[in-house]
Amino acid sequence: DTGVSQDPRHKITKRGQNVTFRCDPISEHNRLYWYRQTLGQGPEFLTYFQNEAQLEKSRLLSDRFSAERPKGSFSTLEIQRTEQGDSAMYLCASNPLNTGELFFGEGSRLTVL
Amino acid sequence: AQTVTQSQPEMSVQEAETVTLSCTYDTSESDYYLFWYKQPPSRQMILVIRQEAYKQQNATENRFSVNFQKAAKSFSLKISDSQLGDAAMYFCAYRNSNSGYALNFGKGTSLLVTP
Repeated sequence: DTGVSQDPRHKITKRGQNVTFRCDPISEHNRLYWYRQTLGQGPEFLTYFQNEAQLEKSRLLSDRFSAERPKGSFSTLEIQRTEQGDSAMYLCASNPLNTGELFFGEGSRLTVL
Repeated sequence: AQTVTQSQPEMSVQEAETVTLSCTYDTSESDYYLFWYKQPPSRQMILVIRQEAYKQQNATENRFSVNFQKAAKSFSLKISDSQLGDAAMYFCAYRNSNSGYALNFGKGTSLLVTP
């Protein structure tokens, strides 16, 4: 296993378009997290899944954002009607049950023009 | 909500020297975890070291050690014998042990290592 994989690595889009990011966690990891990181800031928590259940969502996750993990394996994060303020690095992380350490992917960088 | 503060936006250290990165946090919980993560340029974040709040002994991982002061809510990272490969952003993070599993991160400290 090569770790947490994210796709695409870079996405440039025009304001108002929809974008979708995919995350493939480490295969035996039950928990999956999405974070957003803007320049000069630490990662900010967006949402978290345990298997297919979305258990926690941040207030940062507006109604334009939706995340799914339909079969408890990969996850998608969709942003509808993108705004320039959505430009950021979107990080995915996973971990198995009962451990605190998160294993991060390399991130998907979104630029909204 | 718990907050994590890293007061040093940038730090510089010469190769082979020792540097300490500061982190303070605010919480009303007694049981929690603290972490230091390293984020090299254009690469993913990796865990450097972790500390359980109930443990009095400071965690150590090779050249990396922490100074955990629970009463002061301070969690600094010491890097000994600094190497060029240590250059990166370093993030301090906090997690409750009882509620939720998300990490709260500080804003990070950019560490420059000079030859």
